[in-house]
Amino acid sequence: SQKIEQNSEALNIQEGKTATLTCNYTNYSPAYLQWYRQDPGRGPVFLLLIRENEKEKRKERLKVTFDTTLKQSLFHITASQPADSATYLCALDLTSGYALNFGKGTSLLVTP
Amino acid sequence: NAGVTQTPKFRVLKTGQSMTLLCAQDMNHEYMYWYRQDPGMGLRLIHYSVGEGTTAKGEVPDGYNVSRLKKQNFLLGLESAAPSQTSVYFCASSLAGGLSGEQFFGPGTRLTVL
Repeated sequence: SQKIEQNSEALNIQEGKTATLTCNYTNYSPAYLQWYRQDPGRGPVFLLLIRENEKEKRKERLKVTFDTTLKQSLFHITASQPADSATYLCALDLTSGYALNFGKGTSLLVTP
Repeated sequence: NAGVTQTPKFRVLKTGQSMTLLCAQDMNHEYMYWYRQDPGMGLRLIHYSVGEGTTAKGEVPDGYNVSRLKKQNFLLGLESAAPSQTSVYFCASSLAGGLSGEQFFGPGTRLTVL
């Protein structure tokens, strides 16, 4: 079956370091992949979209890579800040061509 | 612009009761979605709509019905609520699917079924 896997263990890092989150998927070749941020008690917020023909995408301190051979996306936050603490979700279209399937998310905690 | 709004924010139901969750968007988006989010399960798609008057089933549609009579509104109905439907429900909308599919989410509805 098709699956999206994100590290279920929380990631704790020190302020100023680079956080790297992983999203793996199986049995599918998506045309694109998206990353969202979710704060407690709130809906997810879109961060970045990367297409299958793009190796890397950047937005301010965020960087996403997409390796279709490894079936993996990496999400990096450089110079991390406590305000970056949140759950980060990856999402891709596994089935419909219209809707997204989400991973379970990885919780990031940035400590001063 | 209000973006995506959801009504109500909280609700407690007894088993067997019915209710309707309302989602409204003011961005003129074609696509709308209903998800549920449970601890350890992540976001799961219940139903979605690719335009006014259309609906389609997602990953977990059983026990739910939807309607999209107006482009800006997407309603999620529970005809006979069960404790397994205790969850946080999120509505989302997007301009289109596929590569244009950045989704905008509402604030969520926390539903408890006793």
